[in-house]
Amino acid sequence: DAGITQSPRYKITETGRQVTLMCHQTWSHSYMFWYRQDLGHGLRLIYYSAAADITDKGEVPDGYVVSRSKTENFPLTLESATRSQTSVYFCASRWEGIWATEAFFGQGTRLTVV
Amino acid sequence: ILNVEQSPQSLHVQEGDSTNFTCSFPSSNFYALHWYRWETAKSPEALFVMTLNGDEKKKGRISATLNTKEGYSYLYIKGSQPEDSATYLCASNAGGTSYGKLTFGQGTILTVHP
Repeated sequence: DAGITQSPRYKITETGRQVTLMCHQTWSHSYMFWYRQDLGHGLRLIYYSAAADITDKGEVPDGYVVSRSKTENFPLTLESATRSQTSVYFCASRWEGIWATEAFFGQGTRLTVV
Repeated sequence: ILNVEQSPQSLHVQEGDSTNFTCSFPSSNFYALHWYRWETAKSPEALFVMTLNGDEKKKGRISATLNTKEGYSYLYIKGSQPEDSATYLCASNAGGTSYGKLTFGQGTILTVHP
């Protein structure tokens, strides 16, 4: 399917477990982002990537790891999940050229850490 | 301004009222300012991407203005309808060493009462 997709849509995990959230886009967009939705904070940037093998920290990177070996995939790993990481996670992508362009968002992954 | 800030946090209006929200952003290293509309249980969708000082954009009853020198943008909704109820997010698209980084404000929650 064309677009940007996240998997899984829902995940329940236990404290201390490692969990990976997947993000896949079919547009060959150069930029990809991971955000978490927090009450009163809107969307907070966890990590972003400008291209394959280029990643950078956002506002709240602690406890998360990302990789981008292929342009189309940008997985987010919680190394040792904590209850404070219970949130809805959104992946986004955008094309970058000579002008600024909008970001497109995945459907979100609702993660609950128990 | 160091972060992206939006005001008010929430707004309740009657159907037919016109309303506006404010987004403040760092004016240094500015590249672009984005506005998104985010309905409950959906993903954010772009309204506007603005780059030039004095820029004005319009889509139906919604319009936005941009002042890059003082670091603010206004979003206006004319004749609000119940279907306009949503969270409105702005995001600063950085330039310079953080080129491409897309940082969101906390959003303004708009409720339009019939």
